[in-house]
Amino acid sequence: GAVVSQHPSRVICKSGTSVKIECRSLDFQATTMFWYRQFPKKSLMLMATSNEGSKATYEQGVEKDKFLINHASLTLSTLTVTSAHPEDSSFYICSALTYGTSGRNEQYFGPGTRLTVT
Amino acid sequence: AQSVSQHNHHVILSEAASLELGCNYSYGGTVNLFWYVQYPGQHLQLLLKYFSGDPLVKGIKGFEAEFIKSKFSFNLRKPSVQWSDTAEYFCAVNTGTASKLTFGTGTRLQVTL
Repeated sequence: GAVVSQHPSRVICKSGTSVKIECRSLDFQATTMFWYRQFPKKSLMLMATSNEGSKATYEQGVEKDKFLINHASLTLSTLTVTSAHPEDSSFYICSALTYGTSGRNEQYFGPGTRLTVT
Repeated sequence: AQSVSQHNHHVILSEAASLELGCNYSYGGTVNLFWYVQYPGQHLQLLLKYFSGDPLVKGIKGFEAEFIKSKFSFNLRKPSVQWSDTAEYFCAVNTGTASKLTFGTGTRLQVTL
């Protein structure tokens, strides 16, 4: 149980275009999902918290108009990178929050999406 | 805000060697602590977690970690590593009831035959 998928796994786009990445919880509902960015040989950086039915909460320094997040259902959150630039090239990972075996909320991670902007 | 430090960036061990990866956090309040593993080409998987109780936590695949509050540490250990343990290991923390995780920079473990 607690499987999270992401689509696409890899995407290459041209500068100036927009790219949408989907994050789905396959066997559970998640009112909260998280979007992370992972740079090569560096840690995961939390970008934003996605809340079903309400606006996402962005971390300091993350441009909300550039990284649009929509959490329209209890199993789907999308991240749209608008007007992409080469510096947006990165590995984007989502996670979904659910009640775990510990009796507390735990995050389950998707496999990530490799974005390359040319 | 809390932060997490992993001082070992790249560790190379021979099979059957013992492993200890360091993790220190900075936060004075209640913390929940996690170790995640990322095998090549795969997604992050939870190895073990600490919320409260016994500070020695056992996880999957023979891993364990010890929470030492006085040292703000949560080091990961395994008595005998295998080639299949080659992966990136991340320590993470969240505080109180907050769910947001703060990750360390990760440690790349390479196990040689």
